[in-house]
Amino acid sequence: TQLLEQSPQFLSIQEGENLTVYCNSSSVFSSLQWYRQEPGEGPVLLVTVVTGGEVKKLKRLTFQFGDARKDSSLHITAAQPGDTGLYLCAGAYSGGGADGLTFGKGTHLIIQP
Amino acid sequence: DSGVTQTPKHLITATGQRVTLRCSPRSGDLSVYWYQQSLDQGLQFLIQYYNGEERAKGNILERFSAQQFPDLHSELNLSSLELGDSALYFCASSSRGSEAFFGQGTRLTVV
Repeated sequence: TQLLEQSPQFLSIQEGENLTVYCNSSSVFSSLQWYRQEPGEGPVLLVTVVTGGEVKKLKRLTFQFGDARKDSSLHITAAQPGDTGLYLCAGAYSGGGADGLTFGKGTHLIIQP
Repeated sequence: DSGVTQTPKHLITATGQRVTLRCSPRSGDLSVYWYQQSLDQGLQFLIQYYNGEERAKGNILERFSAQQFPDLHSELNLSSLELGDSALYFCASSSRGSEAFFGQGTRLTVV
């Protein structure tokens, strides 16, 4: 049973378009992290959200934590080819660190020039 | 560069064999985590060590074992390998309460 469901699994869009990917769970998490992984590399942390309803922005990326702390979304505005990668969400049951992380299977994103 | 070093980068071995994967954490990080990544299961937590002691166990098979040495590097031992063990194996390290920094992974192919 996958505790964190990410959707869509695969997404291929044109440069300049907007997109949203989702991370859903039936469990309540104390924090949720988003990572990006490029081919041949390990995941790299993008952001950690801790408070229900919290919104964080990282340039063209907007992350939102659901009010009930069970789900999260990542919205990318005006996507660029450099945004291509595997986007992973990970939930933690305690604290905002690296202990006890449960990962979703990820969204494979391809931005075509 | 995350500062976490994993060797080897690629490993091809036969079924039934045993291999050892090595991880050097970032300088100063006491926690080391091992993960297995496959297409169908995603990134699965295997085991965590903190300052030489096992701290948490995830979906680690009995055929797999790990340890963390006094110099804080860690090794993941995989034995009686099966075709289904083919995957990317990642090591990550962190300081207490901080984010995880992942290495580049070891791609294991069992033939």
